[in-house]
Amino acid sequence: KAGVTQTPRYLIKTRGQQVTLSCSPISGHRSVSWYQQTPGQGLQFLFEYFSETQRNKGNFPGRFSGRQFSNSRSEMNVSTLELGDSALYLCASSPSRGEKLFFGSGTQLSVL
Amino acid sequence: DQQVKQNSPSLSVQEGRISILNCDYTNSMFDYFLWYKKYPAEGPTFLISISSIKDKNEDGRFTVFLNKSAKHLSLHIVPSQPGDSAVYFCAASARKTSYDKVIFGPGTSLSVIP
Repeated sequence: KAGVTQTPRYLIKTRGQQVTLSCSPISGHRSVSWYQQTPGQGLQFLFEYFSETQRNKGNFPGRFSGRQFSNSRSEMNVSTLELGDSALYLCASSPSRGEKLFFGSGTQLSVL
Repeated sequence: DQQVKQNSPSLSVQEGRISILNCDYTNSMFDYFLWYKKYPAEGPTFLISISSIKDKNEDGRFTVFLNKSAKHLSLHIVPSQPGDSAVYFCAASARKTSYDKVIFGPGTSLSVIP
């Protein structure tokens, strides 16, 4: 079974731009969660999608948004990028909510 | 409001000795706890989990202990190996509630010295 796939692997953007990150979950997994990792901050929860609906949202500004498609693939979007958005963005999938998460390798976003 | 805490940012242990990583939580609704291991530039990988109905779970060299009254859990690695050097994250969720997202602690960086 293929693991969680995230694209692109690396991304460089400038302040004010927007970015879209993509995540393909493990086949059969309906829950997709997104996390932001910055040095010293651990994994900060962004949001979780289940059956195309956002079920939980973390404490991030509205510039961060996401969606899930009918095939469970998910995208997250960050608009009006700021320097502080530079981080590793991790996507994780699980068969059901609140259970063991399977992570992708992440997208390393650098905002210049 | 950090609901999952790992108060030791780093830990160094000699190869062959025991590594003990600690985690505290504040939300009494948490009923499922997990440990993940992360190498640089990779996603976290699942190590071991424990349900709140148990106080111990073992998988090879890894054992997780849960003390619900103290809202504390720990991960024991015996014996420690150089390949265990990584960042370890404690995580928790409240599966029986609508607050069932998985919350992670800030991580503990473990260095196993040969």
